[in-house]
Formats: sequence, C-alpha cells, structure tokens
Amino acid sequence: NAGVTQTPKFRILKIGQSMTLQCTQDMNHNYMYWYRQDPGMGLKLIYYSVGAGITDKGEVPNGYNVSRSTTEDFPLRLELAAPSQTSVYFCASSYSGGTNYGYTFGSGTRLTVV
Amino acid sequence: GDSVTQMEGPVTLSEEAFLTINCTYTATGYPSLFWYVQYPGEGLQLLLKATKADDKGSNKGFEATYRKETTSFHLEKGSVQVSDSAVYFCALSPGLAGSARQLTFGSGTQLTVLP
Repeated sequence: NAGVTQTPKFRILKIGQSMTLQCTQDMNHNYMYWYRQDPGMGLKLIYYSVGAGITDKGEVPNGYNVSRSTTEDFPLRLELAAPSQTSVYFCASSYSGGTNYGYTFGSGTRLTVV
Repeated sequence: GDSVTQMEGPVTLSEEAFLTINCTYTATGYPSLFWYVQYPGEGLQLLLKATKADDKGSNKGFEATYRKETTSFHLEKGSVQVSDSAVYFCALSPGLAGSARQLTFGSGTQLTVLP
C-alpha cells in the first residue's frame, strides 16, 4: 500500500516556466488537498477536492490550477513560475466520512524558482 | 476564521527531559484537534488526535488533552529521546458536517533533543 505518492521530489524552475506536480493516492480517499510549506511557517492550503470533478480554492490559490479527473489523481499546475512560489509542496488525502480521521501526506516536492 | 497558535521554537532539550509544546486554537463549533510530526526530509505524519472535549489523544509516549474551556491542546511527553527530534504541528479540523474538513495548521515547533 503506497499511500500518497508525489513526483518529482525536487525541481528547479526558471521564472516564467510551467510545470505540473503529480499526486496519486491508492486508498480510495474522496478528499484530496494541496498545501505549501514556507520556511518557519505552517502549511497553507492551496486547493482541495471533495471528489472526482470537484475542486475548490483554499487560502493561497493564486498562480496555481488543479484538476481531479479521477479519484486517485490530483495534479497541481504552475503556469508562470515566480520566485514567490519557491516552497515545499505537500499533497494529502483523507477519508470523507465522520470526524475521527486524519490526513495521509505525501513526502513532498521541493520547488525552487530562480 | 479558524486559527491555531503554537509556542515559538526552536525547543532544545536533553534526553529524558519533560516536553511541553503549547497549542491554542480559535474555531467555531466543535473542531477535531490533531498533532502531526515531520521528521527531516519527510512529509507530515499523524501523531495523535482528539475529536471532542476532554478526550486525550496518545501515541508513542506523547499525550494531549482537548480542553474546550481553555481552547488548548498542549502536547506532552514525560521523557524525550533523541529520535523525537522533529517539527511538531498542531492542527484543527472544523466540526461541520458535510464540510471539506480542511486542516488549519499552526506554524510548527522545531524540537531538538540532545544526547
């Protein structure tokens, strides 16, 4: 059971380039999330999805896009990379039922924009 | 909106010392509360959780009690080990039925345990 898998683990982008951060989970979780973690800060929610075909903005969505065509996959797209997007990105998933749950996190993608 | 406030770090302790990391929250309704741990180079892992007032979450010697009267969820461990060195995050999930239940995180507390 792989859990939540993120690729790539590291990436360096030039200003203005685009890229897609991949996230896949094999736990049949309905809910998926993208967070960014800046140094010394907590995690901030970028986008989330409550099921295939349904996405919504979080706290810091500007400069990002997402799609959810399947239950398993939740890619995050950066269209025009900016230095402010240098961060560590975490994907997470959770079971939708009840209150007795937590997130399962991927191992993260460390992105540097230069 | 919801928020979580953690004590400022970093925290440095000697092995076998007592650990407390303070966490207070602001939320409407009855949130669920969590502590996550992040080891170097890894993603966050759920350490413990509590879903209602006066619940005590525990795992690996760590404990935290959901105190609604003081809106707190302080993390404690009686005797820390070098292997406990990590960043600890307090988080809450809104207790709203049908919501996306997205977690709100504190800023994290870096713990270093010296041998």
